[in-house]
Amino acid sequence: DAKTTQPTSMDCAEGRAANLPCNHSTISGNEYVYWYRQIHSQGPQYIIHGLKNNETNEMASLIITEDRKSSTLILPHATLRDTAVYYCIVRVAITQGGSEKLVFGKGTKLTVNP
Amino acid sequence: EAQVTQNPRYLITVTGKKLTVTCSQNMNHEYMSWYRQDPGLGLRQIYYSMNVEVTDKGDVPEGYKVSRKEKRNFPLILESPSPNQTSLYFCASSFTRELSDTQYFGPGTRLTVL
Repeated sequence: DAKTTQPTSMDCAEGRAANLPCNHSTISGNEYVYWYRQIHSQGPQYIIHGLKNNETNEMASLIITEDRKSSTLILPHATLRDTAVYYCIVRVAITQGGSEKLVFGKGTKLTVNP
Repeated sequence: EAQVTQNPRYLITVTGKKLTVTCSQNMNHEYMSWYRQDPGLGLRQIYYSMNVEVTDKGDVPEGYKVSRKEKRNFPLILESPSPNQTSLYFCASSFTRELSDTQYFGPGTRLTVL
């Protein structure tokens, strides 16, 4: 089961910042928060990931709360091409003999409007 | 260009006719996996491989086989496809299975079994 909770859908105006929240209250100390997005049945695309500190790359910023129970993905200047389903994923910790995998929840459908 | 490729991208077949979906990555990644995506169920892992000749079952392995004879290739084999295997399939790879390593996804293969 997914270990994250996200809003089902969000809207954002083109050119404005899109802030996508995610709750992961049961996250363990060694588990990373990953964000992927999927544009209309294409392969999921990696956006950003983090452990404790806030992270920024050319696509987005990731803000993780101090208690690590929630995070926010920020797309600073959303464009129409950012319309997609955004998945917040807690990378399941490796257990002996266990499978390393990304557990995708239902994600947030972000619609960027002109 | 670093990428994960899948072939075919679209396939319509009939029940019982063996098929293979190929997956190849050019990033020298050790870890590869297969997912299927179905409406309302999200992405679920089928099989994964931690290196050449090392494969293991994911969450939904029934009806599938895989092999990893070379590092770059990880084919998914359906020996006797059935209609419940109609789905969108994604191959993914990462350098290792460490929690900090990013998984890169292929473009997807849409399979229809009649």
